[in-house]
Amino acid sequence: AQSVTQLGSHVSVSEGALVLLRCNYSSSVPPYLFWYVQYPNQGLQLLLKYTTGATLVKGINGFEAEFKKSETSFHLTKPSAHMSDAAEYFCAVRGPRDDMRFGAGTRLTVKP
Amino acid sequence: EAGVTQFPSHSVIEKGQTVTLRCDPISGHDNLYWYRRVMGKEIKFLLHFVKESKQDESGMPNNRFLAERTGGTYSTLKVQPAELEDSGVYFCASSPYLGRDRDEQYFGPGTRLTVT
Repeated sequence: AQSVTQLGSHVSVSEGALVLLRCNYSSSVPPYLFWYVQYPNQGLQLLLKYTTGATLVKGINGFEAEFKKSETSFHLTKPSAHMSDAAEYFCAVRGPRDDMRFGAGTRLTVKP
Repeated sequence: EAGVTQFPSHSVIEKGQTVTLRCDPISGHDNLYWYRRVMGKEIKFLLHFVKESKQDESGMPNNRFLAERTGGTYSTLKVQPAELEDSGVYFCASSPYLGRDRDEQYFGPGTRLTVT
């Protein structure tokens, strides 16, 4: 069965520092992987997705993620954090019946 | 293009009462999903409609939850009677049935339900 695990429920970085949010997946079939972000008092917004093709995926707001099959990982990165990146981030894998299976979420804090 | 909308944004009810949540998907999206996030836990799938048909309701917690999508447009999720453990944020998402975007689910802002 498909599932994802997010390592670290809270991550804190300084403004301008690298953002790295970790996600590992488990899937018996080639996975479709997603990162969503939830800003305070808003819904989930898709940051990026991997379905097939290029393993380095670029998303909105300068985020990118790399699908690494050998490591069963799909970590989210951004070279330089901005205060506006403070939010909760969710990794997800598409299940066999098109449902999204989410990780527990990682809350990102950006310090000035 | 309007996004997925949900009503109400917040609801506070007493144990034993009934609450109905509404979701309006993006126009033209045949797929509609309900999810729930209980405090501190993962967002969990509840059910999936394709047009007015329930494709998968394996995530519905029990028979106190009833979802409908009459006419294949908006959907309602009714909880009757509500219990304390039903508190959480209920998300709705939609996606097109065909096309490149069918892999993406567009989420609404959620309804925060508090049962006291």
